[in-house]
Amino acid sequence: AQSVTQPDIHITVSEGASLELRCNYSYGATPYLFWYVQSPGQGLQLLLKYFSGDTLVQGIKGFEAEFKRSQSSFNLRKPSVHWSDAAEYFCAVGLHTGGFKTIFGAGTRLFVKA
Amino acid sequence: DAGVTQSPTHLIKTRGQHVTLRCSPISGHKSVSWYQQVLGQGPQFIFQYYEKEERGRGNFPDRFSARQFPNYSSELNVNALLLGDSALYLCASSFNRGTGELFFGEGSRLTVL
Repeated sequence: AQSVTQPDIHITVSEGASLELRCNYSYGATPYLFWYVQSPGQGLQLLLKYFSGDTLVQGIKGFEAEFKRSQSSFNLRKPSVHWSDAAEYFCAVGLHTGGFKTIFGAGTRLFVKA
Repeated sequence: DAGVTQSPTHLIKTRGQHVTLRCSPISGHKSVSWYQQVLGQGPQFIFQYYEKEERGRGNFPDRFSARQFPNYSSELNVNALLLGDSALYLCASSFNRGTGELFFGEGSRLTVL
């Protein structure tokens, strides 16, 4: 069965430090891959997506992610974290099933300390 | 342009009752998907509708149903509510049924007592 694993339930980084959030997926083929962010009291917002091509993708708010087929991973990175980045981050896999179904990981809560 | 709008934002029901949640997609978007997000977990796929037809269903009981109207708005209905149905219900729209890029509303917070 398809699944998405985010090994870190929560991560704390200092403002200005670099960030990497891990994501592993289980799927037979190369899926569509996404990272979404959810701030308190708000819906989810798409940060970036990977469908095919260049395995390093750039997103909004200075985020990037790298698809590694050999490791079934799609880790999210940011070189310098801002206090406003504190939120919940979800990795997701998109699957064509007649329609389109998105499977989300359990999320990683990011805390930013001054 | 307005984003995805959902109503109501919060509601409280008791076990056994029925609830209807509503969603208006972004103008021009023809696909609506529904997700359930239990506290501390990621969203779980419930339904996708495209051009008023069900295109996908997640692993939810038949107590959950939905429909999409000619104007592409959608309703999610849940019958015989259980305590475990307490969650944030998220609606997402997309232009077509296969891009995967979802635009989410802020959700309807359902509490079942």
